[in-house]
Amino acid sequence: GAGVSQTPSNKVTEKGKYVELRCDPISGHTALYWYRQSLGQGPEFLIYFQGTGAADDSGLPNDRFFAVRPEGSVSTLKIQRTERGDSAVYLCASSLRSRRGGNTGELFFGEGSRLTVL
Amino acid sequence: QQPVQSPQAVILREGEDAVINCSSSKALYSVHWYRQKHGEAPVFLMILLKGGEQKGHEKISASFNEKKQQSSLYLTASQLSYSGTYFCGTDHNTGTASKLTFGTGTRLQVTL
Repeated sequence: GAGVSQTPSNKVTEKGKYVELRCDPISGHTALYWYRQSLGQGPEFLIYFQGTGAADDSGLPNDRFFAVRPEGSVSTLKIQRTERGDSAVYLCASSLRSRRGGNTGELFFGEGSRLTVL
Repeated sequence: QQPVQSPQAVILREGEDAVINCSSSKALYSVHWYRQKHGEAPVFLMILLKGGEQKGHEKISASFNEKKQQSSLYLTASQLSYSGTYFCGTDHNTGTASKLTFGTGTRLQVTL
């Protein structure tokens, strides 16, 4: 498809389990971002990839959260030993890299993966 | 620190105007505006860069006061399709938009 694709759209899991959330960015977008959005709040930054490397992972809340992008396209967000507080919509976004070396500024978001931890 | 948006919510009749404000306690390089409809992805509206450059949609305008670290989004002649939650995202780095801090949002409802 033409947009950012995220799977699964909904995930219900039990406390303590491991989950993986997948993001397929727009073709050609070198920058990829993960944000987390709780009910009634704005998106909260988690991690930013430029190509295959994590350029900024300062938003990951703790070491239970990890993300990879091995081939510079699809990314997976991994959450170990899930807790009820991890429940949220996990949004992925991608953007183009500008000629100046930064990003063009426009983020294209996917519809998110809604994670519910029971 | 999260930018503060005001108002938190507003109801308009179709055709009326609205202003949404975003204020930061930290120096800003750029401000980004997004609209999110219920259950959907946030959609880009506008970016305002330090120095006055703007990129965005023709029917939406915004201002950016660098000294006051504030931005305002102007919605004129509102349409039903303008309904949704508006978020400002602030960029405190070098304008690469690599890490945005979003506000808590302003819920806008446009009625007939």
